[in-house]
Amino acid sequence: GAVVSQHPSRVICKSGTSVKIECRSLDFQATTMFWYRQFPKKSLMLMATSNEGSKATYEQGVEKDKFLINHASLTLSTLTVTSAHPEDSSFYICSASVKVQGRSPLHFGNGTRLTVT
Amino acid sequence: DQQVKQNSPSLSVQEGRISILNCDYTNSMFDYFLWYKKYPAEGPTFLISISSIKDKNEDGRFTVFLNKSAKHLSLHIVPSQPGDSAVYFCAASGNAGNMLTFGGGTRLMVKP
Repeated sequence: GAVVSQHPSRVICKSGTSVKIECRSLDFQATTMFWYRQFPKKSLMLMATSNEGSKATYEQGVEKDKFLINHASLTLSTLTVTSAHPEDSSFYICSASVKVQGRSPLHFGNGTRLTVT
Repeated sequence: DQQVKQNSPSLSVQEGRISILNCDYTNSMFDYFLWYKKYPAEGPTFLISISSIKDKNEDGRFTVFLNKSAKHLSLHIVPSQPGDSAVYFCAASGNAGNMLTFGGGTRLMVKP
């Protein structure tokens, strides 16, 4: 089945630093990847849609300059949390689908737990 | 405004019995619905999906029912097993592609 790998699984950083999270589709090409964020005991909230070779589409309320998304290839998308603050501490999850159009389930990475001290 | 709602935050079921998880949606443009299972500190794992042209889809112990007129779907797990204990999210997408909108999740606890 489709496998999505996310790295790192856990990161602790100091306030003001930047953190990069990688999302890779291991056995398929993903023209579109999605980045979600989950707060404790809450649902997954879509942050942005990452399209290969073009700018990401951000959801309302998500700061583009704070959460930089790059989708440089069909198998890799990165999320960089810039100038991180404690309120950015959260669980970030990427996902990708085998097909851009049509109906197929999204497959998710294992998530990255970010803690900003 | 939540477009996908799971009104029960938790559910406790005895092993061997049926687990029924419910989900309601408001957006009539949704035409594809999915259930995911999630453990703490892990990404969601796809379980089962259903297209709006169907009202039932079955895969082993998992069956999803869709009632379009009521904008309601449910996931039945039978028989329930202790390993099914997790948080279950329903999700929906419309004709805009594969972007998913998630419900708030229901924590299922299956007691041995």
